[in-house]
Amino acid sequence: EPEVTQTPSHQVTQMGQEVILRCVPISNHLYFYWYRQILGQKVEFLVSFYNNEISEKSEIFDDQFSVERPDGSNFTLKIRSTKLEDSAMYFCASSGPPGENTGELFFGEGSRLTVL
Amino acid sequence: GQNIDQPTEMTATEGAIVQINCTYQTSGFNGLFWYQQHAGEAPTFLSYNVLDGLEEKGRFSSFLSRSKGYSYLLLKELQMKDSASYLCAVSDPRAAGNKLTFGGGTRVLVKP
Repeated sequence: EPEVTQTPSHQVTQMGQEVILRCVPISNHLYFYWYRQILGQKVEFLVSFYNNEISEKSEIFDDQFSVERPDGSNFTLKIRSTKLEDSAMYFCASSGPPGENTGELFFGEGSRLTVL
Repeated sequence: GQNIDQPTEMTATEGAIVQINCTYQTSGFNGLFWYQQHAGEAPTFLSYNVLDGLEEKGRFSSFLSRSKGYSYLLLKELQMKDSASYLCAVSDPRAAGNKLTFGGGTRVLVKP
């Protein structure tokens, strides 16, 4: 069964460092997303991406964040200068073309980011 | 704005039934999703309702009333592996694709 894959599974970094989280969405999906979940809190939307551009972003997704689809398969989230409060599990997700099934999001296993 | 409420925690016995309620007040609505999330893992899709009524899928059923802004997830014949968090999420119709806003999740503990 096709799945969304993410790397790394866990990254520890120092405050102020740049971090890149990588995702390979399901191959025929057109919409890509990043969500985050701070430990013990709810899953929060960060950004959605369609047709090689950001279609929507939340207030959390400030200038420190960026996304890119550098080639036909990868979808990356970059945090330019990490802060302590960026420590969270970051989930990548993708969904299929409009009208396909229910449009449900398929989530990757997550990348746990710890900022020290 | 988006406001999605569900109970924080519920406990039930193996073999029993549990109903997890979710109420929502959102500026738009394009369907309601239920996801299961085991600790430290990714959310996995359980069900989707866009029209009023009950959707049944094996041991899991989900109900929606759009006029009341209310949904529930019903888990029957509970098994120990059903111990997890259950996330209610509403889809935003203004967004491209399927942007979901999640509730805080309901942690269900199944006891023997």
